[in-house]
Amino acid sequence: NAGVTQTPKFQVLKTGQSMTLQCAQDMNHNSMYWYRQDPGMGLRLIYYSASEGTTDKGEVPNGYNVSRLNKREFSLRLESAAPSQTSVYFCASRVQTWGASGGEQYFGPGTRLTVT
Amino acid sequence: AQSVTQLGSHVSVSEGALVLLRCNYSSSVPPYLFWYVQYPNQGLQLLLKYTTGATLVKGINGFEAEFKKSETSFHLTKPSAHMSDAAEYFCAVSTGTASKLTFGTGTRLQVTL
Repeated sequence: NAGVTQTPKFQVLKTGQSMTLQCAQDMNHNSMYWYRQDPGMGLRLIYYSASEGTTDKGEVPNGYNVSRLNKREFSLRLESAAPSQTSVYFCASRVQTWGASGGEQYFGPGTRLTVT
Repeated sequence: AQSVTQLGSHVSVSEGALVLLRCNYSSSVPPYLFWYVQYPNQGLQLLLKYTTGATLVKGINGFEAEFKKSETSFHLTKPSAHMSDAAEYFCAVSTGTASKLTFGTGTRLQVTL
């Protein structure tokens, strides 16, 4: 049981290049999330997928797209990378609870992205 | 919309001393509250959570937190700090059926000898 896995662990891009960050979970969770972490700002939600087949914008979606490929996989794409997207990206999935939103999220190890 | 405020971006304590990390939240509906810990170059790990019921919540590694609705607070405490507790701690609030988390800006805990 690997939990939440992310690839790659590190990536350096030039401005204007594109790339896809991959995320997979093996816990049979319905909901998945992408966050970015910047110094002094905590984690901010980029996009989320409440269930397979649905995706919604979070707090900072501009410059990103997502795909919920199946129940296990949720990818984040940068179409034209900018230096402002230099950050650490975390994927998470959520334990399902009945009738409430109290289920905790499980996080992957992160992808450290630098855009030059 | 919900928000979280963590007072103190850096807290330093001596080994064996009380740890107190502060968290205040704002939410228009009954909140679900979480504390996560992040060790260097790692992802976030759940320490504890409050959903409903008992307001004093115990978590892993000897940490606990008390939900105080009247003060809109969810402060994290540990009676005796250990060197291994040095990490960054995040308070988060969750509302809505999609359980989106809103995080505070984090508190870095330093433990000295």
